[in-house]
Amino acid sequence: AQSVTQPDARVTVSEGASLQLRCKYSYSGTPYLFWYVQYPRQGLQLLLKYYSGDPVVQGVNGFEAEFSKSNSSFHLRKASVHWSDSAVYFCVLRAYQGGRALIFGTGTTVSVSP
Amino acid sequence: EAAVTQSPRNKVAVTGGKVTLSCNQTNNHNNMYWYRQDTGHGLRLIHYSYGAGSTEKGDIPDGYKASRPSQENFSLILELATPSQTSVYFCASGGGQGAGYAEQFFGPGTRLTVL
Repeated sequence: AQSVTQPDARVTVSEGASLQLRCKYSYSGTPYLFWYVQYPRQGLQLLLKYYSGDPVVQGVNGFEAEFSKSNSSFHLRKASVHWSDSAVYFCVLRAYQGGRALIFGTGTTVSVSP
Repeated sequence: EAAVTQSPRNKVAVTGGKVTLSCNQTNNHNNMYWYRQDTGHGLRLIHYSYGAGSTEKGDIPDGYKASRPSQENFSLILELATPSQTSVYFCASGGGQGAGYAEQFFGPGTRLTVL
């Protein structure tokens, strides 16, 4: 079965500090992986995506993520957070086969304190 | 120029009433999806569609119907709304299968409260 686990429900960091959000996935085939962000009372916006190739992918607003097939992980990082990065972050899996939808993790709420 | 729009943005309904949530996309995507978002569950798939005239059941379809009358429009219908359907509903569109088409584009969401 396909699944995504985000073990940290909530993370608090100070402005200017680094951020890492963890994501583990379960899928035996070729995964497409995404990180989406949801700002308060808004829809979801794509931060970055991984389809193949270089395991480190760059996204918007200084975010990057690293894919590891051996660890079944797709962790998100940012070197220096800003207060505007406070949001909910979702790690998302899409199976290669089939027209089914995305499989979401439960999300990590990030609070950036001044 | 928003590519995926939803209406209404907020809705209060009574138990047993009929609710229709509408979604429109200008991406010319074949696939459209309805999700609901609840605390602790992330987003869960209710129904999806591969194109006009088609609807498919997602992971949690009970109590919901869907309609895809055209490429652009996809509706979610609650024939007999219940308080357990209080949630935030998101519509999304996507191109299809395979590389380059996996990304989905989301609407702003509809907050539904069933009293």
